[in-house]
Amino acid sequence: DVQLVESGGGVVQPGGSLRLSCSASGFTFRISAMTWFRQAPGKGLEWVSTITGGYSATYYSDSVRGRFIISRDNSKNTVSLQMDRLRADDTAVYYCAKGPFLWLAYCDSWGQGTQVTVSP
Amino acid sequence: QSALTQPASVSGSPGQSITVSCSGTSSDIGNDNFVSWYQQHPGKAPKLLIYDVTHRPSGVSDRYSGSKSGNTASLTISGLQAEDEADYFCSFYTKTKTIFGGGTRLTVL
Repeated sequence: DVQLVESGGGVVQPGGSLRLSCSASGFTFRISAMTWFRQAPGKGLEWVSTITGGYSATYYSDSVRGRFIISRDNSKNTVSLQMDRLRADDTAVYYCAKGPFLWLAYCDSWGQGTQVTVSP
Repeated sequence: QSALTQPASVSGSPGQSITVSCSGTSSDIGNDNFVSWYQQHPGKAPKLLIYDVTHRPSGVSDRYSGSKSGNTASLTISGLQAEDEADYFCSFYTKTKTIFGGGTRLTVL
């Protein structure tokens, strides 16, 4: 079975940094695109960033480009999200999800999420 | 403001059918079939229900179906059950990004 387990969430001050990790198992990680989504309290889903399988091309939403960096370690089956210059509106539950292909597409399995709170 | 437009809420009685709409533009939904639908129960992770407009992943009930007409995609749930009460999100992906609707809260009366 596919398993995605996020970690690294917590409380951080505005302007601070946090690194999220997602440990994956149950599928061929290196050929799967991996995506981070987020959901602010009481709000809808928002796509944050995707890293493809294969060449590890990266894509970012306008709201995080230049502040967040997505990366993957195929030897450890993990995908990470380095979040810098955090703002209050980055407060959300962050979900890691896998796609069925090398490239960006829909996501067929999601982790349970990790809470990130940006507060003074 | 969400890129795709969904009704904030819909409701139905057990056994009935309901449809959730998802309106886009000729640049997204009207231009390709990369529409997916996710179900999310309170406090839980989203679950893929439909991909590429009409396709159901293995294990998803055939009570869920998807369709598209022009710039609008739709999710239909037939034979409503109490367990269907949840939030539903439509999504469209391109080569470089994914956009969502604002979500629809389904209440089973």
